[in-house]
Amino acid sequence: NAGVTQTPKFRVLKTGQSMTLLCAQDMNHEYMYWYRQDPGMGLRLIHYSVGEGTTAKGEVPDGYNVSRLKKQNFLLGLESAAPSQTSVYFCASILPQGATDSPLHFGNGTRLTVT
Amino acid sequence: AQSVSQHNHHVILSEAASLELGCNYSYGGTVNLFWYVQYPGQHLQLLLKYFSGDPLVKGIKGFEAEFIKSKFSFNLRKPSVQWSDTAEYFCAVNLGGGYNKLIFGAGTRLAVHP
Repeated sequence: NAGVTQTPKFRVLKTGQSMTLLCAQDMNHEYMYWYRQDPGMGLRLIHYSVGEGTTAKGEVPDGYNVSRLKKQNFLLGLESAAPSQTSVYFCASILPQGATDSPLHFGNGTRLTVT
Repeated sequence: AQSVSQHNHHVILSEAASLELGCNYSYGGTVNLFWYVQYPGQHLQLLLKYFSGDPLVKGIKGFEAEFIKSKFSFNLRKPSVQWSDTAEYFCAVNLGGGYNKLIFGAGTRLAVHP
């Protein structure tokens, strides 16, 4: 059981380049999230999804796009990377509302540097 | 705007000292509350959560938290910290119940000296 897997683990981009971060979970979770973690700012929600084919904006969605074409995958895209997007990105997933004993499962993070 | 505030950004304690980390949120509706811990080099792990019932919640590793609805607070406590508690602690609030929108505080970095 792999849990939540993020790829890649590290990436360096130049300003203006694009990339996609992949999050895959094998726990049949309905809800998936993308967060960015920056020093002194905690985790900030970028986008989230409450089911296949649905996405919604979080706290800091600008400059990012997401897609949830398959239930197990949640993709985060940067169309034109900026230095302000240098961060550690975490994906998380959880069972639907009502499964109150289920914790949020996090991936191990993707460290992105934009130069 | 909805937000989660953690009052202490850095806390330094000696082993056996008592710990209390503050967390306040701004949202008038139903909330679910969580504390997560992140040890160096690792991802976040759940310490404890509150959904309903007894506002005093006990979690793993001797941590507990108290939900005070009138103060919009969910403070984390531990009577006697250990060196292994050195980590960053995050309060999180799910707005509107369920897991639709989970918002985290900025975190509190705890250093425990032997």
